[in-house]
This record gives sequence, C-alpha cells and structure tokens, in this order.
Amino acid sequence: GAVVSQHPSWVICKSGTSVKIECRSLDFQATTMFWYRQFPKQSLMLMATSNEGSKATYEQGVEKDKFLINHASLTLSTLTVTSAHPEDSSFYICSAPGAGGQETQYFGPGTRLLVL
Amino acid sequence: QKEVEQDPGPLSVPEGAIVSLNCTYSNSAFQYFMWYRQYSRKGPELLMYTYSSGNKEDGRFTAQVDKSSKYISLFIRDSQPSDSATYLCAMRNTGRRALTFGSGTRLQVQP
Repeated sequence: GAVVSQHPSWVICKSGTSVKIECRSLDFQATTMFWYRQFPKQSLMLMATSNEGSKATYEQGVEKDKFLINHASLTLSTLTVTSAHPEDSSFYICSAPGAGGQETQYFGPGTRLLVL
Repeated sequence: QKEVEQDPGPLSVPEGAIVSLNCTYSNSAFQYFMWYRQYSRKGPELLMYTYSSGNKEDGRFTAQVDKSSKYISLFIRDSQPSDSATYLCAMRNTGRRALTFGSGTRLQVQP
C-alpha cells in the first residue's frame, strides 16, 4: 500500500515558539493531503485540507493564522503551529488519498507535540 | 449529536473469540466506509474499505454496511492478542474526500 511519512515523530517545545511538521507521500503524488488532530482517548478530528498549489481549506473553529499549511509540491505538505501553547499539545496526523484513483486514505505515523 | 457514534469500550475478549465492532451514523450521504486499526501512539492503518451497502471479507475480517439502518460492523474471527488496538470506523460522502471518524473502540484480546 501507499506510504506516508511524517517528521518529526515527536517534538517538545516551549510556549510561544513555532513548530513545523512535515508530511510526505513516499511512493505516490498527492495533490490533496489532510491534517487531523487527535487528543488523548479521542478520535481524529479534521483540521484542514491541504491543496497543492492553492490555499488550504480549514474546518470551522480552526485558526488558519495559527496553523499554517503549505503544500509546496505533489509529495510534501507542512503544518506549522505558530506561537504554540500548552493547549496545542496533541497528536497531529496527516493523510493522503491513495494513488490511482483509490478511494481510501493512507495515514502517516503521526507527530506528537508537547508544548511546555 | 455526533455524525458518527462508536462505543469507546474497552472491549475485552479471550483469544479465539469472535469480535463485533459497530458504528452508527446520521448522515445519509455517506457512501464510503472504512475501518482503521490504530496502535497506541501510531497512525491509523487501513483494514477494510466498503462502498455503499454490502459485505466484504478479507481473511479474518468481515465488514458489513447497512445503509438503510445507517449501521456498519466489523467482525474479527479467531481474535489474537496482536489484534489488541483501537478500531476506528470512518466514512465520507461522494463530494468530500476528508473522513469523518468514530471515536474508536479499544479492543483487548486476552491470551
């Protein structure tokens, strides 16, 4: 199956700093990628849809100025958490639709963010 | 009311048991239904994918979709301790590629 990677796998940062998370499709191109957030013992909640070559679309309640998304190429999307605060501590997961018109999505391994 | 409802468990079964996991949903526009397995602190792994109503079998796993009842199920036969994980149902409609997830059911298979 398709492989999606994320980097870093975990990060600890001080409150007020910015953190960048990368999501890469390793063996296929993805014009669209999705960013989800998962709090402990809760399900994945969609934050935004990343579109290659155009602006990301954000879900209701997600601050676009705080969670900056850049989809610079067909294999890379980045999520930057700006001025991170402890309440942003969470598990961030990206996904991409499978290649060849598949209807399924493949998820990255996730990035655990802890803001002190 | 959430769009997708799923019992969080935990569900504890002995090794070899048949496991039944379920989700109900309210959005009749959902057409694509998936089951993912997620181990602790890992990304979800696709297990089964079904379009519209019907059954699908893959090894020890069987997925069922009943659109008339807005109810989907995942059955695991001959469960193994390695099946212990959180199982997430997910679904989407034709016009939107992002997924709506259930809250996940934590399964524990006791050796």
